[in-house]
Amino acid sequence: DSGVTQTPKHLITATGQRVTLRCSPRSGDLSVYWYQQSLDQGLQFLIQYYNGEERAKGNILERFSAQQFPDLHSELNLSSLELGDSALYFCASSVGPEKETQYFGPGTRLLVL
Amino acid sequence: GESVGLHLPTLSVQEGDNSIINCAYSNSASDYFIWYKQESGKGPQFIIDIRSNMDKRQGQRVTVLLNKTVKHLSLQIAATQPGDSAVYFCAAHSGGSNYKLTFGKGTLLTVNP
Repeated sequence: DSGVTQTPKHLITATGQRVTLRCSPRSGDLSVYWYQQSLDQGLQFLIQYYNGEERAKGNILERFSAQQFPDLHSELNLSSLELGDSALYFCASSVGPEKETQYFGPGTRLLVL
Repeated sequence: GESVGLHLPTLSVQEGDNSIINCAYSNSASDYFIWYKQESGKGPQFIIDIRSNMDKRQGQRVTVLLNKTVKHLSLQIAATQPGDSAVYFCAAHSGGSNYKLTFGKGTLLTVNP
């Protein structure tokens, strides 16, 4: 158990819908990262927040957004969902803002029908 | 941009043998590398990391070797056990202040009893 929690574990929705994935980092960690894992693209970095502020951006679509709240939990919002958005979404956390070990949560499996 | 690849998509070894998983990266400015292990249905788990000012780093039963000249790193697992069966990812930090990790597609390690 990494100490990072993610909810929900599974999510099934329809195209065009919007969903919110939630992540709670390890106690004491200030950075939260979001990743998407699909069979064809592998593990792709989406976005990082550090202490409430956006720190780095990866391959995140404009339909996706995230935020980190004062209690350091983070939410990833996915809107206008498409079939291709079906994937595993992982949250990871680390103590500092860069070049540190990231601890991954168990993931949310999203299925868009 | 960064691309990180693995030489073999699958590796099968006998229990007790040593395993070597290879990884190549493209960005010569990459300065931080991490190996992750992902078991089925779980999030990636940190194994070991290495910074570009080192050539070798050892952990418990694992060793990472970094060859910056040819932009290659490897993960060696000593006395491989059935519990080591998983997908192994290498990841490279892209360098610079925009922190993000680029992950390879992964190598599936199967340990035969």
